[in-house]
Amino acid sequence: QSALTQPRSVSGSPGQSVTISCTGTSSDVGNWNYVSWYQQYPGKAPKLLIYVVDKRPSGVPDRFSGSKSGNTASLTISGLQADDEADYYCCSYAGSYTFVLFGGGTKLTVL
Amino acid sequence: QEQLVASGGGLVKPGGSVRLSCGASGLSLSGSYMSWIRQAPGKGLEWVSYISSSGSTKIYADSVKGRLTVSRDNAMNSLYLQIDSLRAEDTAVYYCAVSYSSGWFDHWGQGTLVTVSS
Repeated sequence: QSALTQPRSVSGSPGQSVTISCTGTSSDVGNWNYVSWYQQYPGKAPKLLIYVVDKRPSGVPDRFSGSKSGNTASLTISGLQADDEADYYCCSYAGSYTFVLFGGGTKLTVL
Repeated sequence: QEQLVASGGGLVKPGGSVRLSCGASGLSLSGSYMSWIRQAPGKGLEWVSYISSSGSTKIYADSVKGRLTVSRDNAMNSLYLQIDSLRAEDTAVYYCAVSYSSGWFDHWGQGTLVTVSS
């Protein structure tokens, strides 16, 4: 199966909000409420930001929120901060055979 | 502090094999599902393997099926990944991560780089 589709880059100014989309199919994003999002800084391991579409692990600020509609999931970052500049990846469960698919990643630039 | 540490990477010739290890400190892996996820230089994340807490269920990505073997030793609090018939396209940082059966990952290790080159 193909990777999920994310925009290659997004940008925003400090204090603004940005939304990163993640488009899959009815076999993955559209069929399961098991979408997760990860933040990755250069040279570092990814960090879980959102799981089960809209749940935040403890320690993740509520500026990060997730949602899903049909075959598309979204990550919204509000009150942008310089430290939010990183790569963001979505991931969706895709059944017991495929297990998961990742998106290609989105580079967030804080202007 | 809960920490996963991946090791075993290095420079390997095409056609060779490598065995990666993932150990844990401050964290018991015995009750956890685990996955290996890789990232080629400058590229995105690719999940490659999953193993259940008992080791009875193993799943592999189609792109690596037949060449990867995941295993675990709960008594040693460790996870392993054997990669055979290495190809240039296997060059990547390999991360181990605590995995959930519905497909999300927390507690990632720092990654170990495997470079396949003659």
